[in-house]
Amino acid sequence: AQTVTQSQPEMSVQEAETVTLSCTYDTSESDYYLFWYKQPPSRQMILVIRQEAYKQQNATENRFSVNFQKAAKSFSLKISDSQLGDAAMYFCATLPTNAGGTSYGKLTFGQGTILTVHP
Amino acid sequence: EAGVAQSPRYKIIEKRQSVAFWCNPISGHATLYWYQQILGQGPKLLIQFQNNGVVDDSQLPKDRFSAERLKGVDSTLKIQPAKLEDSAVYLCASSLVRGWGTEAFFGQGTRLTVV
Repeated sequence: AQTVTQSQPEMSVQEAETVTLSCTYDTSESDYYLFWYKQPPSRQMILVIRQEAYKQQNATENRFSVNFQKAAKSFSLKISDSQLGDAAMYFCATLPTNAGGTSYGKLTFGQGTILTVHP
Repeated sequence: EAGVAQSPRYKIIEKRQSVAFWCNPISGHATLYWYQQILGQGPKLLIQFQNNGVVDDSQLPKDRFSAERLKGVDSTLKIQPAKLEDSAVYLCASSLVRGWGTEAFFGQGTRLTVV
């Protein structure tokens, strides 16, 4: 079984500054994907960034980057140069895969962190 | 590329009535998920299909909820009879099983209010 914990129910940041959202997870799988999703008030969930657990290099997508610590089972999201459009609920999620990268099992989400961006 | 389509967007029913939600995944996506999201919480997986088969339905309240995936494509989720605590957004998502695209792509959801 997998569990995902987001310990920060709410976070806030000033526009143009940097914020880090925390996520820890527990899994018995050796291979898995990790994701950060964003859910704006319109509620459609969209992918922000993904990380394959076998890769040591942290994923980066423009202003979004992760700090993946496999031994600590930690997967934090850093948002640089925050923009008003970044305001949303952010979810961390995990998906087990086999050694060949084929997914199986449950896509499990954390409880979410509400991010407020102040102008 | 067309996204995941869900209907209806909104539904209001009285308790003990029945309701059905429909989902059309992205073409070629073998995996289809139904999630229940209560306001302010993370999505809770109700059922996960891979093609026609069920991967996980451990959190589906089977006494009142049912789901099917026709020919490995479209899916319907039914609640009968509905309870007040079923008020939530029901999200459908789909994904590939391998490689880039294993992330789930979500529809806009159906907001269900049970009164």
